[in-house]
Amino acid sequence: KQEVTQIPAALSVPEGENLVLNCSFTDSAIYNLQWFRQDPGKGLTSLLLIQSSQREQTSGRLNASLDKSSGRSTLYIAASQPGDSATYLCAVRNTNAGKSTFGDGTTLTVKP
Amino acid sequence: SAVISQKPSRDICQRGTSLTIQCQVDSQVTMMFWYRQQPGQSLTLIATANQGSEATYESGFVIDKFPISRPNLTFSTLTVSNMSPEDSSIYLCSVEDLESVAREQFFGPGTRLTVL
Repeated sequence: KQEVTQIPAALSVPEGENLVLNCSFTDSAIYNLQWFRQDPGKGLTSLLLIQSSQREQTSGRLNASLDKSSGRSTLYIAASQPGDSATYLCAVRNTNAGKSTFGDGTTLTVKP
Repeated sequence: SAVISQKPSRDICQRGTSLTIQCQVDSQVTMMFWYRQQPGQSLTLIATANQGSEATYESGFVIDKFPISRPNLTFSTLTVSNMSPEDSSIYLCSVEDLESVAREQFFGPGTRLTVL
């Protein structure tokens, strides 16, 4: 059974800092991994999706990497802004037809 | 990407009543899911909504408590029946397109339910 862990559970940084969020998974035979952002009381917004054959994906100030062999993904946020404050979740899918397993998320606070 | 709307966005309900949540997608999608997110926790999959047939429920969730309809490829409803305070959660509709190799998952804005 796939297990997804996100560390740290919470992170507070000053504005402008570069930061890394971590996602670990126990079963490396994955189909894809997706990073989401969730604002308080709201739905999830898809940020980046990495296919199993890919090593990284980039969108603006965000870069997500995938290392299947070690069961890890990182989300790098460059030049953080207060508007980046949210909870970030990763979700791992093991097969094309399978369901996603979600981590508990990392709650990020960027202080002005 | 799919645009998903949910109604209502939030509601406060009395114990013992039922609430039906609607999910509307702007395009036809093959897969629709319903999730629950209890306060301070991550997402838990309730069921997969199947078009024209009964939903597929995850362990711990039953049709009597969470009846689901999916009359077509763009619309689904989730009913939370005989509610108790433990049902207070955010309920999220999610979609995927099986014809997409990437299998990217998209979520609606959620329905915030408080049961008194």
